[in-house]
Amino acid sequence: EAQVTQNPRYLITVTGKKLTVTCSQNMNHEYMSWYRQDPGLGLRQIYYSMNVEVTDKGDVPEGYKVSRKEKRNFPLILESPSPNQTSLYFCASSLPGQVSYNEQFFGPGTRLTVL
Amino acid sequence: LAKTTQPISMDSYEGQEVNITCSHNNIATNDYITWYQQFPSQGPRFIIQGYKTKVTNEVASLFIPADRKSSTLSLPRVSLSDTAVYYCLGQSSTSGTYKYIFGTGTRLKVLA
Repeated sequence: EAQVTQNPRYLITVTGKKLTVTCSQNMNHEYMSWYRQDPGLGLRQIYYSMNVEVTDKGDVPEGYKVSRKEKRNFPLILESPSPNQTSLYFCASSLPGQVSYNEQFFGPGTRLTVL
Repeated sequence: LAKTTQPISMDSYEGQEVNITCSHNNIATNDYITWYQQFPSQGPRFIIQGYKTKVTNEVASLFIPADRKSSTLSLPRVSLSDTAVYYCLGQSSTSGTYKYIFGTGTRLKVLA
């Protein structure tokens, strides 16, 4: 089944404790992206990647890191989480350059709470 | 990259046609308009995409007037299961960037 998977789905952590949220897709998509969703603010893009070893900042990259060493994986790293990073996080992937290049496939989400 | 504006919420009854309008006054020549649907506790799901005039698929229709400064998502004969948040998204195909701005979306509530 074609899908985007994220792990963990739920995470409660404390301020300053480094964490990684994994994202993996099995559709051979070149484009991958991370979003955070907060009440009243909609979806905001954190980072995106056009292909392996190619990443760029979205609208809200502060406090986050990403890497793209393999095509299928795009982990989101919080080196020193803070309470304002408590949010619902979504990973997405798509095939840019195709007719439906903007059809992003989203993962199920990771609900992160930073105490 | 076009910034979009949508109504915050809408209510409708089952069986009615629902039209959600999105304003994108700064849309660029190469921008496409894309709509997503999101149910609670799920990731957004692609509904439809268009550049101009009208596009229709099995789920919805998308109307984009000649000046392309707005677009309307039309959901025919909605049911309770169409209760969701709908996002309008502008995206350029040739800007060399794939930054996306989803905005706050329109919360549609379908009533029995």
